[in-house]
Amino acid sequence: RKEVEQDPGPFNVPEGATVAFNCTYSNSASQSFFWYRQDCRKEPKLLMSVYSSGNEDGRFTAQLNRASQYISLLIRDSKLSDSATYLCVVISDTGFQKLVFGTGTRLLVSP
Amino acid sequence: DTAVSQTPKYLVTQMGNDKSIKCEQNLGHDTMYWYKQDSKKFLKIMFSYNNKELIINETVPNRFSPKSPDKAHLNLHINSLELGDSAVYFCASSPLRTGGMNYGYTFGSGTRLTVV
Repeated sequence: RKEVEQDPGPFNVPEGATVAFNCTYSNSASQSFFWYRQDCRKEPKLLMSVYSSGNEDGRFTAQLNRASQYISLLIRDSKLSDSATYLCVVISDTGFQKLVFGTGTRLLVSP
Repeated sequence: DTAVSQTPKYLVTQMGNDKSIKCEQNLGHDTMYWYKQDSKKFLKIMFSYNNKELIINETVPNRFSPKSPDKAHLNLHINSLELGDSAVYFCASSPLRTGGMNYGYTFGSGTRLTVV
């Protein structure tokens, strides 16, 4: 079983739709959580960190449920430019900055 | 420009060859990494160096040897290349080794290695 699991998708949504991605992680000692975005043939880029209290950045909302070991990302009012792969990322070991990636969820936003 | 830069961007080579990928960061970060993204797009850490010291060495064949001449450089040498080594290799850096927070983790643009 992978340490970080995601539905690979693809999620096909029209512009303006709201879409949610989920992610589960297996290591209960995990300390830090993030969503990264990766465009085709590009490097991953940090989208947002995920905090226990939940956090929002414009159209993006991230939630963390430590008891269920579950992370979510909600995108409101989807834009064509949101089409990408969204990677759920966890740091399990506070001793090192080792990012553990999920396999990613592909989002396709159509006109 | 401040960045993590990798060379080459593309590398096509025959099985059995030895090749190197170079990475440099001018962000003043202490820690550098190599990640591999396979054909299924799964990103996995291979190595990490902190101030020239190897701190993470995942289960990687010993044909892969990282070298860090200084904290701004982390190169990856691969001996006896195999078809299964075909992947995208990303270099990355971060400013802090401990704490668990993502203090500005920056990725290079990747090296697409194809072994034929």
